[in-house]
Amino acid sequence: AQSVAQPEDQVNVAEGNPLTVKCTYSVSGNPYLFWYVQYPNRGLQFLLKYITGDNLVKGSYGFEAEFNKSQTSFHLKKPSALVSDSALYFCAVRLPGGGATNKLIFGTGTLLAVQP
Amino acid sequence: ETGVTQTPRHLVMGMTNKKSLKCEQHLGHNAMYWYKQSAKKPLELMFVYSLEERVENNSVPSRFSPECPNSSHLFLHLHTLQPEDSALYLCASSQAGERNSPLHFGNGTRLTVT
Repeated sequence: AQSVAQPEDQVNVAEGNPLTVKCTYSVSGNPYLFWYVQYPNRGLQFLLKYITGDNLVKGSYGFEAEFNKSQTSFHLKKPSALVSDSALYFCAVRLPGGGATNKLIFGTGTLLAVQP
Repeated sequence: ETGVTQTPRHLVMGMTNKKSLKCEQHLGHNAMYWYKQSAKKPLELMFVYSLEERVENNSVPSRFSPECPNSSHLFLHLHTLQPEDSALYLCASSQAGERNSPLHFGNGTRLTVT
């Protein structure tokens, strides 16, 4: 069955330090992978995506993610964290197969807390 | 007005009430989605609508009834809900036919069933 796992409920990091939010996936075929961020009382906002090509994907707000096929991982990274990065982060994978719509499976989310 | 707009932002209803959630997208997309977000659980895809397909998650109870009158509007009709249906309901849209088209979400409706 297709699935996405985010093994950490919460990640704590000091401002200015690098951050990593982990994601692993299980899907048949080539995966289409996404990261979204959710601020309090808001919907999810798209950060970045991996479809094919370069394993390092750059996205919004200085975030990037590294696709690793052998480890079936798609970890979110940022070289220097900001307090304003504190939010809930979701990894998602597109269900493979037919259909014109983008049915995404989401992980449970990781709360990122950046301390000043 | 741009983006995906959901109304109301908050809704409190009794188990015998009937209410509807509304979603409107101004992005020119042609696919719309309902997701349910509960604490500590993955987002649950409830329904998908596009010109080419309508997808319903078979695990969604029949007390939730979607309606998509056109490509810009999506409704979720609610009746005889249970307290465990309390959650954040998110609407999203995308461009069908483009596999890498990200979903654009509204800010959600926070539903509380008493």
